[in-house]
Amino acid sequence: DTEVTQTPKHLVMGMTNKKSLKCEQHMGHRAMYWYKQKAKKPPELMFVYSYEKLSINESVPSRFSPECPNSSLLNLHLHALQPEDSALYLCASSQVWGANQPQHFGDGTRLSIL
Amino acid sequence: KNEVEQSPQNLTAQEGEFITINCSYSVGISALHWLQQHPGGGIVSLFMLSSGKKKHGRLIATINIQEKHSSLHITASHPRDSAVYICALHTGNQFYFGTGTSLTVIP
Repeated sequence: DTEVTQTPKHLVMGMTNKKSLKCEQHMGHRAMYWYKQKAKKPPELMFVYSYEKLSINESVPSRFSPECPNSSLLNLHLHALQPEDSALYLCASSQVWGANQPQHFGDGTRLSIL
Repeated sequence: KNEVEQSPQNLTAQEGEFITINCSYSVGISALHWLQQHPGGGIVSLFMLSSGKKKHGRLIATINIQEKHSSLHITASHPRDSAVYICALHTGNQFYFGTGTSLTVIP
Protein backbone atom coordinates (compact mmCIF):
# COMPACT_ATOMS: atom_id res chain seq x y z
CA ASP A 1 0.00 0.00 0.00
CA THR A 2 1.26 3.47 -0.84
CA GLU A 3 0.53 6.70 1.03
CA VAL A 4 -0.42 8.37 -2.25
CA THR A 5 -3.66 6.95 -3.60
CA GLN A 6 -4.55 7.17 -7.26
CA THR A 7 -7.89 6.30 -8.82
CA PRO A 8 -8.83 4.69 -11.05
CA LYS A 9 -6.06 2.09 -11.46
CA HIS A 10 -7.04 1.49 -15.07
CA LEU A 11 -8.98 3.67 -17.51
CA VAL A 12 -10.01 3.02 -21.09
CA MET A 13 -11.56 5.92 -22.94
CA GLY A 14 -12.39 7.06 -26.41
CA MET A 15 -10.91 10.14 -27.99
CA THR A 16 -14.10 12.15 -27.48
CA ASN A 17 -14.60 11.28 -23.82
CA LYS A 18 -13.98 13.47 -20.81
CA LYS A 19 -12.59 11.77 -17.73
CA SER A 20 -10.57 12.68 -14.65
CA LEU A 21 -7.72 11.06 -12.77
CA LYS A 22 -7.61 11.56 -9.02
CA CYS A 23 -4.72 11.63 -6.59
CA GLU A 24 -4.95 11.93 -2.82
CA GLN A 25 -2.42 12.14 0.02
CA HIS A 26 -2.88 12.78 3.72
CA MET A 27 0.75 13.25 4.73
CA GLY A 28 0.46 17.04 4.91
CA HIS A 29 2.62 17.42 1.80
CA ARG A 30 2.36 20.79 0.07
CA ALA A 31 3.87 19.79 -3.29
CA MET A 32 2.16 17.44 -5.71
CA TYR A 33 3.22 16.25 -9.13
CA TRP A 34 1.84 14.59 -12.25
CA TYR A 35 4.11 12.42 -14.38
CA LYS A 36 3.52 10.55 -17.62
CA GLN A 37 5.40 7.31 -18.24
CA LYS A 38 5.48 5.38 -21.52
CA ALA A 39 6.50 1.73 -21.57
CA LYS A 40 10.19 1.12 -20.84
CA LYS A 41 10.83 4.86 -20.46
CA PRO A 42 11.46 6.97 -17.36
CA PRO A 43 8.67 9.18 -16.00
CA GLU A 44 8.29 12.62 -17.60
CA LEU A 45 7.22 15.51 -15.42
CA MET A 46 3.97 17.17 -16.52
CA PHE A 47 2.89 19.50 -13.71
CA VAL A 48 4.00 20.64 -10.27
CA TYR A 49 1.67 22.18 -7.71
CA SER A 50 3.15 23.97 -4.75
CA TYR A 51 0.81 25.16 -2.00
CA GLU A 52 -2.14 24.48 -4.33
CA LYS A 53 -0.73 26.76 -7.03
CA LEU A 54 0.52 25.56 -10.40
CA SER A 55 4.27 26.09 -10.37
CA ILE A 56 5.44 24.10 -13.37
CA ASN A 57 3.68 23.20 -16.59
CA GLU A 58 6.14 21.31 -18.81
CA SER A 59 4.54 22.43 -22.09
CA VAL A 60 1.76 19.89 -21.69
CA PRO A 61 -1.05 20.04 -24.31
CA SER A 62 -4.24 21.73 -23.15
CA ARG A 63 -6.19 18.48 -23.45
CA PHE A 64 -4.63 17.74 -20.04
CA SER A 65 -5.96 20.10 -17.38
CA PRO A 66 -4.68 19.81 -13.80
CA GLU A 67 -6.57 20.99 -10.76
CA CYS A 68 -5.60 21.15 -7.09
CA PRO A 69 -8.81 21.78 -5.12
CA ASN A 70 -7.06 21.50 -1.74
CA SER A 71 -3.74 20.48 -0.23
CA SER A 72 -4.66 16.77 -0.22
CA LEU A 73 -6.14 16.38 -3.67
CA LEU A 74 -4.80 16.61 -7.18
CA ASN A 75 -6.88 15.95 -10.27
CA LEU A 76 -5.99 15.59 -13.92
CA HIS A 77 -8.88 16.31 -16.26
CA LEU A 78 -8.69 14.64 -19.66
CA HIS A 79 -10.50 15.72 -22.82
CA ALA A 80 -10.12 14.83 -26.48
CA LEU A 81 -7.04 12.69 -25.89
CA GLN A 82 -5.04 11.06 -28.65
CA PRO A 83 -3.90 7.42 -28.88
CA GLU A 84 -0.32 8.53 -28.14
CA ASP A 85 -1.54 9.72 -24.73
CA SER A 86 -1.90 6.09 -23.66
CA ALA A 87 0.55 5.69 -20.80
CA LEU A 88 0.92 5.23 -17.05
CA TYR A 89 0.09 8.46 -15.21
CA LEU A 90 1.86 8.76 -11.88
CA CYS A 91 1.10 11.16 -9.08
CA ALA A 92 3.66 12.03 -6.43
CA SER A 93 3.92 14.31 -3.44
CA SER A 94 6.66 15.76 -1.27
CA GLN A 95 6.72 17.91 1.87
CA VAL A 96 7.54 20.99 -0.15
CA TRP A 97 8.71 21.63 -3.67
CA GLY A 98 12.43 21.91 -4.02
CA ALA A 99 15.63 20.05 -3.60
CA ASN A 100 16.38 17.37 -1.04
CA GLN A 101 12.78 16.30 -0.76
CA PRO A 102 11.95 12.64 -1.38
CA GLN A 103 8.88 12.14 -3.49
CA HIS A 104 6.21 9.62 -2.56
CA PHE A 105 4.61 8.01 -5.59
CA GLY A 106 1.21 6.48 -6.14
CA ASP A 107 0.74 3.22 -8.02
CA GLY A 108 -0.38 5.10 -11.12
CA THR A 109 -3.36 5.05 -13.46
CA ARG A 110 -2.85 3.02 -16.61
CA LEU A 111 -4.65 4.92 -19.35
CA SER A 112 -5.58 3.49 -22.74
CA ILE A 113 -7.05 5.69 -25.48
CA LEU A 114 -9.04 3.88 -28.14
CA LYS B 1 22.26 14.69 -24.26
CA ASN B 2 21.24 12.80 -21.11
CA GLU B 3 21.99 14.42 -17.83
CA VAL B 4 21.76 10.99 -16.19
CA GLU B 5 23.23 7.74 -17.52
CA GLN B 6 22.60 4.37 -15.92
CA SER B 7 24.33 1.06 -16.51
CA PRO B 8 23.65 -1.64 -17.21
CA GLN B 9 20.28 -1.21 -18.94
CA ASN B 10 19.37 -4.82 -18.26
CA LEU B 11 20.76 -7.22 -15.68
CA THR B 12 20.00 -10.86 -14.96
CA ALA B 13 21.40 -12.45 -11.81
CA GLN B 14 21.15 -15.70 -9.92
CA GLU B 15 19.54 -15.60 -6.52
CA GLY B 16 22.15 -14.76 -3.88
CA GLU B 17 24.44 -12.78 -6.17
CA PHE B 18 25.80 -9.35 -5.30
CA ILE B 19 24.44 -6.73 -7.69
CA THR B 20 25.71 -3.29 -8.61
CA ILE B 21 23.87 -0.68 -10.64
CA ASN B 22 25.67 2.48 -11.66
CA CYS B 23 24.54 6.04 -12.25
CA SER B 24 26.66 8.82 -13.74
CA TYR B 25 25.54 12.37 -14.19
CA SER B 26 26.80 15.54 -15.76
CA VAL B 27 25.11 18.33 -13.81
CA GLY B 28 25.51 19.78 -10.36
CA ILE B 29 23.03 18.23 -7.99
CA SER B 30 21.60 18.87 -4.57
CA ALA B 31 20.41 15.29 -4.11
CA LEU B 32 20.31 11.96 -5.90
CA HIS B 33 17.49 9.46 -5.51
CA TRP B 34 17.33 5.74 -6.14
CA LEU B 35 13.83 4.55 -7.00
CA GLN B 36 12.38 1.08 -7.49
CA GLN B 37 9.53 0.39 -9.90
CA HIS B 38 7.82 -3.00 -9.96
CA PRO B 39 5.99 -4.25 -13.07
CA GLY B 40 2.65 -3.09 -11.61
CA GLY B 41 3.85 0.50 -11.99
CA GLY B 42 4.16 1.96 -8.49
CA ILE B 43 7.44 3.66 -7.64
CA VAL B 44 9.10 3.37 -4.25
CA SER B 45 11.80 5.75 -3.10
CA LEU B 46 14.73 3.67 -1.80
CA PHE B 47 17.32 6.30 -0.97
CA MET B 48 17.99 10.01 -1.14
CA LEU B 49 21.67 10.89 -1.06
CA SER B 50 23.68 14.07 -1.08
CA SER B 51 26.95 12.56 0.13
CA GLY B 52 28.55 9.38 1.38
CA LYS B 53 26.74 6.13 1.83
CA LYS B 54 23.39 4.84 3.09
CA LYS B 55 22.29 1.32 3.97
CA HIS B 56 18.84 -0.15 4.35
CA GLY B 57 18.58 -3.88 4.84
CA ARG B 58 20.28 -5.57 1.87
CA LEU B 59 20.51 -2.33 -0.10
CA ILE B 60 23.46 0.04 -0.05
CA ALA B 61 23.73 3.31 -1.96
CA THR B 62 26.88 5.35 -2.38
CA ILE B 63 27.62 8.66 -4.03
CA ASN B 64 30.84 10.38 -5.07
CA ILE B 65 30.03 14.04 -5.67
CA GLN B 66 33.45 14.86 -7.14
CA GLU B 67 33.21 12.03 -9.70
CA LYS B 68 29.47 12.62 -10.28
CA HIS B 69 28.77 8.93 -9.76
CA SER B 70 26.48 6.84 -7.61
CA SER B 71 26.04 3.11 -7.16
CA LEU B 72 23.24 0.98 -5.81
CA HIS B 73 24.28 -2.38 -4.41
CA ILE B 74 22.03 -5.30 -3.54
CA THR B 75 23.53 -8.02 -1.37
CA ALA B 76 22.15 -11.59 -1.35
CA SER B 77 19.76 -10.81 -4.20
CA HIS B 78 16.32 -12.40 -4.20
CA PRO B 79 13.70 -12.87 -6.93
CA ARG B 80 11.51 -10.26 -5.21
CA ASP B 81 14.25 -7.70 -6.01
CA SER B 82 13.28 -8.04 -9.68
CA ALA B 83 12.21 -4.56 -10.73
CA VAL B 84 13.38 -1.48 -12.60
CA TYR B 85 15.81 0.66 -10.60
CA ILE B 86 15.86 4.34 -11.50
CA CYS B 87 18.41 6.97 -10.61
CA ALA B 88 16.94 10.47 -10.37
CA LEU B 89 18.62 13.82 -9.77
CA HIS B 90 17.49 16.93 -7.99
CA THR B 91 19.08 20.11 -9.31
CA GLY B 92 17.37 23.09 -7.74
CA ASN B 93 13.78 22.73 -8.92
CA GLN B 94 14.52 20.32 -11.76
CA PHE B 95 14.15 16.57 -11.40
CA TYR B 96 15.93 14.36 -13.97
CA PHE B 97 15.31 10.63 -14.32
CA GLY B 98 17.70 8.04 -15.67
CA THR B 99 16.39 5.49 -18.13
CA GLY B 100 16.41 2.75 -15.53
CA THR B 101 18.05 -0.63 -15.04
CA SER B 102 15.80 -3.64 -15.42
CA LEU B 103 16.87 -6.31 -12.94
CA THR B 104 15.73 -9.93 -13.06
CA VAL B 105 16.81 -12.27 -10.28
CA ILE B 106 16.41 -15.94 -11.14
CA PRO B 107 15.75 -18.48 -8.37
